[in-house]
Amino acid sequence: GPKVLQIPSHQIIDMGQMVTLNCDPVSNHLYFYWYKQILGQQMEFLVNFYNGKVMEKSKLFKDQFSVERPDGSYFTLKIQPTALEDSAVYFCASSLQGEDTQYFGPGTRLLVL
Amino acid sequence: GDKVKQSPSALSLQEGTNSALRCNFSIAATTVQWFLQNPRGSLINLFYLVPGTKENGRLKSAFDSKESYSTLHIRDAQLEDSGTYFCAAEQQGTGSKLSFGKGAKLTVSP
Repeated sequence: GPKVLQIPSHQIIDMGQMVTLNCDPVSNHLYFYWYKQILGQQMEFLVNFYNGKVMEKSKLFKDQFSVERPDGSYFTLKIQPTALEDSAVYFCASSLQGEDTQYFGPGTRLLVL
Repeated sequence: GDKVKQSPSALSLQEGTNSALRCNFSIAATTVQWFLQNPRGSLINLFYLVPGTKENGRLKSAFDSKESYSTLHIRDAQLEDSGTYFCAAEQQGTGSKLSFGKGAKLTVSP
């Protein structure tokens, strides 16, 4: 099926540093998402993005978070500065249309020390 | 409270037996997706449903929007079916974000 790629697969950083998580969505998809999963817990919606803009964000999408997709390249999630509670697995997803099947990447495991 | 409640939270099966997983929604769900999260953590798409049923091999899923629930039936369980099954729903009027259940951990043994 359609593949979403995420780079890196793992990232360990010190609290207060900046981190950028990269997502390569399915090539013809137009809607992009980030979700957060803390170990052993359910997936939580962070943000969705369409036509260069954030459409909706949850309470988990703190002011330190930002997303962009410059010139059709990677869809990125930037956290600056990071906090201990940002440690989680971050999943990127994409869909062709708004209400449509979302395809998920394998996740980036972020550990903030 | 939880928008999506999954049951059971864990299940053990022997190979060759059948099982059913269920999600109840406290929101006006418009579409439902079912995923299998494998031991490596990757999410595998199983079904995308508008109200109705779909079948794929040994898996069958149904979504009843009026009664606010969805089910996933696994027939003739195999070892490779082991993992955590998640349902997720889109809510009417909230755009294209998924609300996930807490998952159902399935262990299939010989």
